[in-house]
Amino acid sequence: QKEVEQNSGPLSVPEGAIASLNCTYSDRVSQSFFWYRQYSGKSPELIMSIYSNGDKEDGRFTAQLNKASQYVSLLIRDSQPSDSATYLCAVNDQAGTALIFGKGTTLSVSS
Amino acid sequence: EPEVTQTPSHQVTQMGQEVILRCVPISNHLYFYWYRQILGQKVEFLVSFYNNEISEKSEIFDDQFSVERPDGSNFTLKIRSTKLEDSAMYFCASSEQGEQYFGPGTRLTVT
Repeated sequence: QKEVEQNSGPLSVPEGAIASLNCTYSDRVSQSFFWYRQYSGKSPELIMSIYSNGDKEDGRFTAQLNKASQYVSLLIRDSQPSDSATYLCAVNDQAGTALIFGKGTTLSVSS
Repeated sequence: EPEVTQTPSHQVTQMGQEVILRCVPISNHLYFYWYRQILGQKVEFLVSFYNNEISEKSEIFDDQFSVERPDGSNFTLKIRSTKLEDSAMYFCASSEQGEQYFGPGTRLTVT
């Protein structure tokens, strides 16, 4: 059974701080990794994709991938109250089409 | 910016009835997907579709479910005989390659 694990939170950070979100996955052959943001009652919104080991930066967001440790993380710098949402980690399965999602980490940014 | 659209936004049906959920994927995308999210649970993959056929399906996608691309723009999910446990948000997604973009969802309520 392929699993994607995330700490459900809530993760609470003050405005302007760095939020660090973590994810582990069980399927060693997974190739593609994604972070989605989901506001309550809304659909998942793609934030970042990462395919290679290392860091990938996009604005205030940095995704980090370590395939040897089967670990993906998302850093949000200068957190804003509008970043308050549930962050979903998703991994492509071996066939390369289905996304396997974690349960998500709820982030709360206080002003 | 192009986006995935879904209709209806909310569908209420009685147990045993057939429902069809509709999606218009992003126009240049070739891969289409359906996911569902039961309230408070994680996003679950149902089916992927490419080149007018199913690429992959999950255990959830049993004989009660079917998908179709009836024309050049629409992508539909049919549930033949709905059960109470089919109540969920149903998300359509599309992709050109790896990154999947989600529509706003259809909330299906089975009574």
